[in-house]
Amino acid sequence: AQKITQTQPGMFVQEKEAVTLDCTYDTSDQSYGLFWYKQPSSGEMIFLIYQGSYDEQNATEGRYSLNFQKARKSANLVISASQLGDSAMYFCAMPDRGSTLGRLYFGRGTQLTVWP
Amino acid sequence: KAGVTQTPRYLIKTRGQQVTLSCSPISGHRSVSWYQQTPGQGLQFLFEYFSETQRNKGNFPGRFSGRQFSNSRSEMNVSTLELGDSALYLCASSEGTGDIYQPQHFGDGTRLSIL
Repeated sequence: AQKITQTQPGMFVQEKEAVTLDCTYDTSDQSYGLFWYKQPSSGEMIFLIYQGSYDEQNATEGRYSLNFQKARKSANLVISASQLGDSAMYFCAMPDRGSTLGRLYFGRGTQLTVWP
Repeated sequence: KAGVTQTPRYLIKTRGQQVTLSCSPISGHRSVSWYQQTPGQGLQFLFEYFSETQRNKGNFPGRFSGRQFSNSRSEMNVSTLELGDSALYLCASSEGTGDIYQPQHFGDGTRLSIL
């Protein structure tokens, strides 16, 4: 089974600054993918960005980008120009290749707080 | 396009009771998955459904069950509730094409509290 590790329980960043949220993973698969989700206090999990193991470029989606280092098995999320609305829990997740529909393995999450 | 809809949003039950949670996926999505989220255990997979069939089940006791209807809507049921069942229950839907790298879309969840 895949294992996802997020070592930062909490992170603080000032508005308009950039922040990096760490994610490392463990898998024996050569082909895999990684998702990042945002969970505001309301509870909904919001899909942010996806990185495939064979993608030649790091994924980018607006203010979100991935610092993907395959050899180190890390896929860190970079949020540029932080906004107050970015305050939320952030989860890194990997689908199970042995699963028909892609059951997700999640990390424990990082609580991001953006202050003015 | 409407998102994933979960009802109810909040639920309070007592030990020993049973509960049914509902999930309506995004229109056109045929796959539904359920997750339990607690502060202690984090996010844990419960089960996933496609074409009214359970395709995979997580490591939960038999008190947790679910089903999917022909319109892809899904329900999960927990019987003989225990205090430890207090959690946020999240439902996710996906197209169900077999591409596990398509993102799953989640609802707002149902917050279940057991007294």
